[in-house]
Amino acid sequence: NAGVTQTPKFRVLKTGQSMTLLCAQDMNHEYMYWYRQDPGMGLRLIHYSVGEGTTAKGEVPDGYNVSRLKKQNFLLGLESAAPSQTSVYFCASRAWTSGTYEQYFGPGTRLTVT
Amino acid sequence: DAKTTQPPSMDCAEGRAANLPCNHSTISGNEYVYWYRQIHSQGPQYIIHGLKNNETNEMASLIITEDRKSSTLILPHATLRDTAVYYCIVSLGRGAQKLVFGQGTRLTINP
Repeated sequence: NAGVTQTPKFRVLKTGQSMTLLCAQDMNHEYMYWYRQDPGMGLRLIHYSVGEGTTAKGEVPDGYNVSRLKKQNFLLGLESAAPSQTSVYFCASRAWTSGTYEQYFGPGTRLTVT
Repeated sequence: DAKTTQPPSMDCAEGRAANLPCNHSTISGNEYVYWYRQIHSQGPQYIIHGLKNNETNEMASLIITEDRKSSTLILPHATLRDTAVYYCIVSLGRGAQKLVFGQGTRLTINP
């Protein structure tokens, strides 16, 4: 199992450009999450999904959109990147199964917006 | 979700037990205490969780006070590889389980 993978690992964007971050998991998990982490800070939840075709807002959703067309993939989009979106983005997944509490995190995507 | 309070940093000697405290005085009855750690810039790693009772697994032990307002994560024999930021999080066990990460405790294990 590869677990949770994220593409790309690094990206530099100019202000106003758009991009999509891809998160993929091979554990058949129902829940998926996108977090961002700014320097010296803890992670903050951007959006999450409780299943294929469903998404919901987290703590800091503004400026981002997400889609969950396939159960194994969760996409995070930036339509018009801003310097304030410079951050490390982490994806996570979790099983629905009763008694399962652990979130599995990907390695992160480091995004710089100039 | 309840907020947690952790010391910003701690040091521990290699081979000794590392005890990381966490206050969560506003925790509600159906909320769990979770511990994750983040080594360098990697994705966070789950360590352990508990509701009321003390818990132990291959990584650590979790001691929760009887009133559930505080807890302690214990790494019994700390190694240099345990140097990381440790996050104490309070959240529901079922449902979306939206984790709220504070700034955590930066634990440094010294040789």
